Amino acid sequence: GAVVSQHPSRVICKSGTSVKIECRSLDFQATTMFWYRQFPKQSLMLMATSNEGSKATYEQGVEKDKFLINHASLTLSTLTVTSAHPEDSSFYICSALKYTEAFFGQGTRLTVV
Amino acid sequence: GENVEQHPSTLSVQEGDSAVIKCTYSDSASNYFPWYKQELGKGPQLIIDIRSNVGEKKDQRIAVTLNKTAKHFSLHITETQPEDSAVYFCAASITGTASKLTFGTGTRLQVTL
Repeated sequence: GAVVSQHPSRVICKSGTSVKIECRSLDFQATTMFWYRQFPKQSLMLMATSNEGSKATYEQGVEKDKFLINHASLTLSTLTVTSAHPEDSSFYICSALKYTEAFFGQGTRLTVV
Repeated sequence: GENVEQHPSTLSVQEGDSAVIKCTYSDSASNYFPWYKQELGKGPQLIIDIRSNVGEKKDQRIAVTLNKTAKHFSLHITETQPEDSAVYFCAASITGTASKLTFGTGTRLQVTL
């Protein structure tokens, strides 16, 4: 297997502020990482594909200026939710691709108040 | 794009019984079908996967079957245990890897004593 660590696991922020979520592959290098959003009792929706050293590819309907993704190294991708609003409250999950298999982080529950 | 449907949304079985979860997909080009288990407040964990060149795969109490003609695949859990209780997601990908996964809507499995 492989380990993907996501931090923080929970965060509460005020409306209008920005929040950064980190996703690290601890024991392997990941050229490609993915960011998902999951609403309560719903499925995972792919937000964007993060490629090391290049711009992220966003899925249709996802605002790239609001959800900033940086994949500066082979073991770290970050998702920054800018100017957060209550509707951004959700469970955000990252995954990292090792060969053909995806390993998921433990998720970050974001609450915007 | 790909669309994955999953049934049932909830499933309750007695300990020791079998559980079956079914998924259908729409894109005949899909060739990689993983199943994930997600416990409350955590990220998904891969439990088994199957590729389009295989009809069935088994790993201890867990098995997956794939019918390419009908475009459906199923997860079978035998001799269920309370620790099998979780939400299970099927997924499909046309890349042959776990990139660009389309997830099903999830099945909440409850194993009762």
